Amino acid sequence: ETGVTQTPRHLVMGMTNKKSLKCEQHLGHNAMYWYKQSAKKPLELMFVYSLEERVENNSVPSRFSPECPNSSHLFLHLHTLQPEDSALYLCASSQDRAGGLNTEAFFGQGTRLTVV
Amino acid sequence: TQLLEQSPQFLSIQEGENLTVYCNSSSVFSSLQWYRQEPGEGPVLLVTVVTGGEVKKLKRLTFQFGDARKDSSLHITAAQPGDTGLYLCAGVRSNYQLIWGAGTKLIIKP
Repeated sequence: ETGVTQTPRHLVMGMTNKKSLKCEQHLGHNAMYWYKQSAKKPLELMFVYSLEERVENNSVPSRFSPECPNSSHLFLHLHTLQPEDSALYLCASSQDRAGGLNTEAFFGQGTRLTVV
Repeated sequence: TQLLEQSPQFLSIQEGENLTVYCNSSSVFSSLQWYRQEPGEGPVLLVTVVTGGEVKKLKRLTFQFGDARKDSSLHITAAQPGDTGLYLCAGVRSNYQLIWGAGTKLIIKP
């Protein structure tokens, strides 16, 4: 399998549930990202991992908790979410962090999250 | 305040027509990327422009980076239904931040 794979593709969860989103990249990249995409808004960068170390956390609420156990896998743990957290959550990877020479981002297909 | 403005937000045209979408900012970028996102998929990189005034062509798509590296345009000639999608621009700043526009949703009707 190649590219960036995200599971699940769709997720409906209640506000008291705990769930996790999974991302796997088979490209040998050093940087991985979580983005939130809401309709008619720019992509919101949530977390950046470079060489498995979290290098950026853009004031994301603590109900979102990332985990990067190795350079190929990235998780986003969710708990006590709010309805306004409903969105498409995209995982991406790049050879180097944004700004480096190789900054093309390869995205997964996303997880469509609905919080009820 | 959005740092990277894309216009128009939505465009629906007939197959065979030409169109231009814009990506504007008051900030200077070291480079700028254009992505296309189809329904149910993640964005896919189309092109990266680096030099002020640079023009790159990808079949019927022509990308231009402004001389001051603050803006960019995407021109599509003889649009096809397969060009339908959300077009996103992303500027790379000198501090390694990647700034995204909100996108132009393009529909090409057969």
